[in-house]
Amino acid sequence: KAGVTQTPRYLIKTRGQQVTLSCSPISGHRSVSWYQQTPGQGLQFLFEYFSETQRNKGNFPGRFSGRQFSNSRSEMNVSTLELGDSALYLCASSVSGGGSQETQYFGPGTRLLVL
Amino acid sequence: AQSVTQLDSQVPVFEEAPVELRCNYSSSVSVYLFWYVQYPNQGLQLLLKYLSGSTLVESINGFEAEFNKSQTSFHLRKPSVHISDTAEYFCAVSPYSGAGSYQLTFGKGTKLSVIP
Repeated sequence: KAGVTQTPRYLIKTRGQQVTLSCSPISGHRSVSWYQQTPGQGLQFLFEYFSETQRNKGNFPGRFSGRQFSNSRSEMNVSTLELGDSALYLCASSVSGGGSQETQYFGPGTRLLVL
Repeated sequence: AQSVTQLDSQVPVFEEAPVELRCNYSSSVSVYLFWYVQYPNQGLQLLLKYLSGSTLVESINGFEAEFNKSQTSFHLRKPSVHISDTAEYFCAVSPYSGAGSYQLTFGKGTKLSVIP
């Protein structure tokens, strides 16, 4: 079974632009979570989607948004990019989001550099 | 709210020596506990997790962690490390929940460097 895939793997943008990152979960997984990883703040939870609905959101500004499609694929969007948005963005999927004991499987991440 | 503290940001250790990576957490509710490993330029992989039952959990590659509720700790240990264990290790917690959403709260990570 294929793992979690994220595209693109690397991205360079300039301040003020917007960006869309994509995540395809493991086949059969319906829950998708997004995390931001930076050297200073570490790994921080962005949001989680299940059955096309956002169920949980971390403490990030409204410039960060996401959505999930009927096939469970998810996208996250960052508008009006700032230098501080440079980070590794990780997507994780789990089977049903049926409880916090479920294992989340992570993709390789998209490394975003904002100049 | 939950928080996780990994007491060491970097741990160098000689090959075949034992290692302990420390993790303490704080939470007002019961939590599940996880250790993830991140190899260079890769995503995170689950190493082991504690959900309930025996407080000692083991991974398939020789790591083990012990849940200590009174000390709110979940330290990771390995009796003999290999070069291939060089990676960054993250401790994480997730609050108990039913059929609802959940999120992982991570520590800042510990970089384990195994020296030949």
